[in-house]
Amino acid sequence: KNQVEQSPQSLIILEGKNCTLQCNYTVSPFSNLRWYKQDTGRGPVSLTIMTFSENTKSNGRYTATLDADTKQSSLHITASQLSDSASYICVVIRTGGGNKLTFGTGTQLKVEL
Amino acid sequence: NAGVTQTPKFQVLKTGQSMTLQCAQDMNHEYMSWYRQDPGMGLRLIHYSVGAGITDQGEVPNGYNVSRSTTEDFPLRLLSAAPSQTSVYFCASSYSNSGGDEQFFGPGTRLTVL
Repeated sequence: KNQVEQSPQSLIILEGKNCTLQCNYTVSPFSNLRWYKQDTGRGPVSLTIMTFSENTKSNGRYTATLDADTKQSSLHITASQLSDSASYICVVIRTGGGNKLTFGTGTQLKVEL
Repeated sequence: NAGVTQTPKFQVLKTGQSMTLQCAQDMNHEYMSWYRQDPGMGLRLIHYSVGAGITDQGEVPNGYNVSRSTTEDFPLRLLSAAPSQTSVYFCASSYSNSGGDEQFFGPGTRLTVL
C-alpha cells in the first residue's frame, strides 16, 4: 500500500533556531517528491520538488534531502522565523496512470519568540 | 492572474441538502482535482479531470459529482449532504497529470454539515 509518514506530528521551536522534519514513504514506483507549506486557513504551496536522482535541493532557508534507497526525505529549516509557523506536507508522486499523489499528514510547526 | 479561486469560503448545510462548490483557474491548466482535508489525515482525492469533458474518480468519490465543461471551471456537487462530509475542500490545478508539474491549490472551502 502506498503510504507517506511524517514525523514529528508537531514541533515548537524558538525563533532563529533550526529544525528538521522527516518523511518516510512506501510509494512505488517513485517519480518525485514535493514538500508543501500550508499556512493556517490557506491552501498548500509547493516549496521544493525532488526527482529520483537528486539528493539535495534548496529554496532559501529551506533545504530538502532525498535518499531514494531508504525512501526517506527531510526538510531542514534554517534560522526559523515566525512566518515559518505552518503545516509542512510531504507528497510523493508515483509514475503510471490514475491518482499519482500520496499525501502525508503533515508536521505542524510553531515558531515562538 | 488570480490562480485558483474557490467559492464559498465557508458553508453550513443541513443533512440532506445539496450544494455546489465552485472552482476556477485562469492558468489554462488541463488537470484539475478536488481534495478533502480532515484532521489527522492527508489530503484525499475526491475526483479529478485531465481536460474538458473528462472526469474520473479518486480515492473517496462517494456522495460527490463533478463535471468539466470548460478548461477553467471544475465544480464539485454534494448530492445529499451528510455529517461525514464535514471537511475542508481544496481544488487544485496543474499543467498536466504527469506528476512532475506543480499543483496549485485554491484557498479552500470549509464545509460543516449539521
